[in-house]
Amino acid sequence: DAGITQSPRHKVTETGTPVTLRCHQTENHRYMYWYRQDPGHGLRLIHYSYGVKDTDKGEVSDGYSVSRSKTEDFLLTLESATSSQTSVYFCAIRLDRDGNTIYFGEGSWLTVV
Amino acid sequence: QQQVKQSPQSLIVQKGGISIINCAYENTAFDYFPWYQQFPGKGPALLIAIRPDVSEKKEGRFTISFNKSAKQFSLHIMDSQPGDSATYFCAASYNYGQNFVFGPGTRLSVLP
Repeated sequence: DAGITQSPRHKVTETGTPVTLRCHQTENHRYMYWYRQDPGHGLRLIHYSYGVKDTDKGEVSDGYSVSRSKTEDFLLTLESATSSQTSVYFCAIRLDRDGNTIYFGEGSWLTVV
Repeated sequence: QQQVKQSPQSLIVQKGGISIINCAYENTAFDYFPWYQQFPGKGPALLIAIRPDVSEKKEGRFTISFNKSAKQFSLHIMDSQPGDSATYFCAASYNYGQNFVFGPGTRLSVLP
């Protein structure tokens, strides 16, 4: 258990509304990631962070922003949700003591109607 | 070149049989190859991983075979059990995990 908590776990929202997903870790590891998972696409990186206020884009970053004001929290924001952003979102961390492997949270199911 | 290809997309195996999932990559910079197991409603969990300096790694009923020259690696599940029914993802990374690429996944069903 890598001590990752995602919230909310399930959310239904309307098109055009802002949505923020939160990822919280208990061990203060440096690297944190947001992925989305869709059928046929596997896991695709949205954004990642390598420290407080240090973030970078991933493969599918359009329409998403992130913030990391504290080591333990990594927020993913959909500024204006669209139906194409209906997905399962996974937060992940890379352990500082094991630089190669990432560990995932339980996921946040988001439906945009 | 960042892509990791995975096959088959789905697999049905009888209890006690061998499940084999294959992955291929192009980028020779990849130096770490993990496999993840995901049950419905859960996040992917690390199952087993290998580095390219070995050709095989075994943990219990799970074995990774690695062919560096062919740029291919595979997961073998021996004596497959219904509890192994899940989606399996191969992945590849380099630069101490800063660059992580996943395959599209294989849905395994083990029939009782």
